[in-house]
Amino acid sequence: AQSVTQLDSHVSVSEGTPVLLRCNYSSSYSPSLFWYVQHPNKGLQLLLKYTSAATLVKGINGFEAEFKKSETSFHLTKPSAHMGDAAEYFCVPLSGYSTLTFGKGTMLLVSP
Amino acid sequence: NAGVTQTPKFRILKIGQSMTLQCTQDMNHNYMYWYRQDPGMGLKLIYYSVGAGITDKGEVPNGYNVSRSTTEDFPLRLELAAPSQTSVYFCASRRTRTAFGNEQFFGPGTRLTVL
Repeated sequence: AQSVTQLDSHVSVSEGTPVLLRCNYSSSYSPSLFWYVQHPNKGLQLLLKYTSAATLVKGINGFEAEFKKSETSFHLTKPSAHMGDAAEYFCVPLSGYSTLTFGKGTMLLVSP
Repeated sequence: NAGVTQTPKFRILKIGQSMTLQCTQDMNHNYMYWYRQDPGMGLKLIYYSVGAGITDKGEVPNGYNVSRSTTEDFPLRLELAAPSQTSVYFCASRRTRTAFGNEQFFGPGTRLTVL
């Protein structure tokens, strides 16, 4: 079964500085991976997805992620953080009947 | 399209009461899912369905039941509510054909408290 590790439970950045949220996966084959965002008291929104078509994936709101097979990583980045980016972010692998296996996520805190 | 809708948004139950959480999608998706999210945690899969009349257990099915009589609706039933079922419940759906993408679309959630 596929699994991921989000290396940081919390990441704090200042507005205008780059964002890096780390995700490593364990799989014997190339997985399908998603980044979802959850703003406080809201549902989940898809940021971007990797399905082997391209290793650099661009998502919404200026986020992107690069799939690196050699490092088994799928880190989420954004050049410049905005206050509205403060939320919880989940790196999620696809499993079984298209079920998603969620971990605890990474809380992004953005200070002025 | 409204996407995935859930009702109610909030509910308080007493121990032993029962209720049904409603989920409807208008995207003609065959696959539908129920998750629960406890404070500070990720989502855990309760049940899922790959089409009308077909359901299967996820990671945490105990205390819940589902049915899928139509493509659009996937209600989740709590028969004897317990405090451990206090959580936020999310319904999700995805396209049938992988060629069109396999991401899940989530509803806004139902916040349930059992006292």
